[in-house]
Amino acid sequence: KNEVEQSPQNLTAQEGEFITINCSYSVGISALHWLQQHPGGGIVSLFMLSSGKKKHGRLIATINIQEKHSSLHITASHPRDSAVYICAVVGDSNYQLIWGAGTKLIIKP
Amino acid sequence: SQTIHQWPATLVQPVGSPLSLECTVEGTSNPNLYWYRQAAGRGLQLLFYSVGIGQISSEVPQNLSASRPQDRQFILSSKKLLLSDSGFYLCAWSVRRASYEQYFGPGTRLTVT
Repeated sequence: KNEVEQSPQNLTAQEGEFITINCSYSVGISALHWLQQHPGGGIVSLFMLSSGKKKHGRLIATINIQEKHSSLHITASHPRDSAVYICAVVGDSNYQLIWGAGTKLIIKP
Repeated sequence: SQTIHQWPATLVQPVGSPLSLECTVEGTSNPNLYWYRQAAGRGLQLLFYSVGIGQISSEVPQNLSASRPQDRQFILSSKKLLLSDSGFYLCAWSVRRASYEQYFGPGTRLTVT
């Protein structure tokens, strides 16, 4: 079993829909990242969380430390949101990033 | 402000040829440096990390090696490429005492033919 599990693996939705991507982890962490990877490969950090909730534009990230679970939400989704979204946790013992496999999101116009 | 550079952006190399990918960081001193690989259809895998000049830790056995000849320069190398070395290679850096927050370079897409 992977230490970081993301669901769903693939998600296709219509423009305007509310999107939720989930991340569960099984290790102790000091922080959790949500990252976005576009088809060209470049990776952009969206959020870094250690507790609670963060919001940036149409993106919202939440984390529940007790349940070892985080969600990334996209409101009013747009085709330009199409990308792979990756959850990565920072182990609390060695600070190494442990990566989820990613969720491929396609937003259709 | 800090910036991270990687080159080349894309590379096509035949099996058995050598490899050298370079990563440099500007605007910070004594960073932790990381090399990641993303194989097709798979997640990112940490290959090497470095906490200082000449200090390299390897996370997975492979035919790749890394070197850090200068504080802000990190090089990924291979003497003989394999087909399985194809993938997307990312360099990242973090502040020494806050290595949970990593900043990524633009990446190099390597195709071994």
